[in-house]
Amino acid sequence: DSGVTQTPKHLITATGQRVTLRCSPRSGDLSVYWYQQSLDQGLQFLIQYYNGEERAKGNILERFSAQQFPDLHSELNLSSLELGDSALYFCASSVSGGGDTGELFFGEGSRLTVL
Amino acid sequence: QQPVQSPQAVILREGEDAVINCSSSKALYSVHWYRQKHGEAPVFLMILLKGGEQKGHEKISASFNEKKQQSSLYLTASQLSYSGTYFCGTEISPGANNLFFGTGTRLTVIP
Repeated sequence: DSGVTQTPKHLITATGQRVTLRCSPRSGDLSVYWYQQSLDQGLQFLIQYYNGEERAKGNILERFSAQQFPDLHSELNLSSLELGDSALYFCASSVSGGGDTGELFFGEGSRLTVL
Repeated sequence: QQPVQSPQAVILREGEDAVINCSSSKALYSVHWYRQKHGEAPVFLMILLKGGEQKGHEKISASFNEKKQQSSLYLTASQLSYSGTYFCGTEISPGANNLFFGTGTRLTVIP
């Protein structure tokens, strides 16, 4: 158990819909990262937050957005869903990210299926 | 910005050695290695920092060639538990800690 909690674990929805994935980082971790894992793309970095502020953006689509709240939990919002958005979405957290480098702790992931 | 890993897959017998390579076209600040078992989350193995510092497992070794932007992970005397997909993650901005992962190397160890 990494200490990172993601909900829901599984989600099935239809094209055009909107979903929200939630992540609670390990106690004390200030950074939250979102990754998308699909079969042919490996782990794709989406976005990073550090202590409530957006720190870095990767290959995140405009239909996707995220935020980190004052209690440091984070939400990833996916809208106008397409079939290609079906994937495993991982959240990771770390103490680092504000100027130093360190281990990422990954949650168990949220598996999204778009029908 | 995604690094390239090779080989894509490898099958070993217990006790054999393997090398997994990772290369980037960008200047790197650090290289991270993670292992993901089927149906599970990626788990940290080690970090190699520019300048030679390493953090991570004692039983796994790796190298980082800063000039060539390449890293290699060395798995020696493989065990069944080594099976999984290995990902290298590259950090381009110092201290940002956001990683761009390669597409992975699937390692299977058989008895």
